[in-house]
Amino acid sequence: AQKITQTQPGMFVQEKEAVTLDCTYDTSDPSYGLFWYKQPSSGEMIFLIYQGSYDQQNATEGRYSLNFQKARKSANLVISASQLGDSAMYFCAMREDNAGNNRKLIWGLGTSLAVNP
Amino acid sequence: NAGVTQTPKFQVLKTGQSMTLQCAQDMNHNSMYWYRQDPGMGLRLIYYSASEGTTDKGEVPNGYNVSRLNKREFSLRLESAAPSQTSVYFCASLTGPWGDTQYFGPGTRLTVL
Repeated sequence: AQKITQTQPGMFVQEKEAVTLDCTYDTSDPSYGLFWYKQPSSGEMIFLIYQGSYDQQNATEGRYSLNFQKARKSANLVISASQLGDSAMYFCAMREDNAGNNRKLIWGLGTSLAVNP
Repeated sequence: NAGVTQTPKFQVLKTGQSMTLQCAQDMNHNSMYWYRQDPGMGLRLIYYSASEGTTDKGEVPNGYNVSRLNKREFSLRLESAAPSQTSVYFCASLTGPWGDTQYFGPGTRLTVL
């Protein structure tokens, strides 16, 4: 069973508007971490934002925020005021903390975001 | 502070040739990882090393070997390259044991003919 699901293969947004990229996860581990990464066409993987399962507040980093709904097991990325440079592939990932000395991340398949001028 | 570095950036091999992809990090991280990325398949873990002296298989280890030479360096070896190993390879590192962020190298684009 897929542990990280990104249901939107592709998304479009107008410049300056907000966009939400969906991510749902599946784990029975009470302690875990959720990540979002950006991969522009140049290929590098850029860390955007992190949310721990015990964090009381939603994570924010500049124009990025993570809408964490623990009961629904969702960790959606919200990008406010989209810019042309936000056009990229976005990956959601999860780290399960009780898997021994194992710091593997489990990755979704990604969402391709295109920002239109 | 260079972060995570990978060499080479591009490589073309013929079927059956061998090569080693090099990765180094200068952030004093404990854990290091090798991924491959193929179109439509996201990132798949090949091998990882939770700490110096240990290595473990990931999701797709067949055809690869790794060496954690020291805390800084983690190499990936293809003993007999196959066209199915054409991919982009990423190395990453993570401070542990409760590190929050994986830092990635720039990637190696490998083509096996």
